[in-house]
Amino acid sequence: AQSVTQLGSHVSVSEGALVLLRCNYSSSVPPYLFWYVQYPNQGLQLLLKYTSAATLVKGINGFEAEFKKSETSFHLTKPSAHMSDAAEYFCAVSDPYTGGGNKLTFGTGTQLKVEL
Amino acid sequence: GAVVSQHPSRVICKSGTSVKIECRSLDFQATTMFWYRQFPKQSLMLMATSNEGSKATYEQGVEKDKFLINHASLTLSTLTVTSAHPEDSSFYICSAKSGGPYNEQFFGPGTRLTVL
Repeated sequence: AQSVTQLGSHVSVSEGALVLLRCNYSSSVPPYLFWYVQYPNQGLQLLLKYTSAATLVKGINGFEAEFKKSETSFHLTKPSAHMSDAAEYFCAVSDPYTGGGNKLTFGTGTQLKVEL
Repeated sequence: GAVVSQHPSRVICKSGTSVKIECRSLDFQATTMFWYRQFPKQSLMLMATSNEGSKATYEQGVEKDKFLINHASLTLSTLTVTSAHPEDSSFYICSAKSGGPYNEQFFGPGTRLTVL
């Protein structure tokens, strides 16, 4: 069974500061990994995904994540936070053998707050 | 990206009644739809996977007779919560995808169900 752990249910940063949201996975094989963002009362929007190609993945809105097999991590970063980045962020994993578009297992989410 | 809608966005019902939630893919044909449940401050939990024209596959612990899923067309799936009780109150989110297993899931905006 696969699982995802997001360290820190709440992260607060100043506008312009580095954003770092942590995600560690557990899987017997390298999985497909995803980061989603959820704004209040809205569905999830895909930020970026890792599907066994380049380990450094660039996504929308200036976010990127690096797959590190040795650390079983897929942390999300953004060099400079913007007020509009305030939202809930979810890391998710899927089994590569059933395809990245199938069953997703989500982490518990990290609420990002951006302060002036 | 592709658009998925849900209706209603919010529903309040009395205990013992049934509630139907619709999930529509607006600009693509969804061969597979997923239903998730999200409790406050928690992650999304997959309830079931439905393929057009087939019976839904439910996750362990999800009552089939309680949560009826119908995927009658390539653009519509419905989730009916039968004999709803207060513990069924939650945020229900659907997602939809087309094509093979490597295609991305697109998420709806969610439906907030409150059972009195």
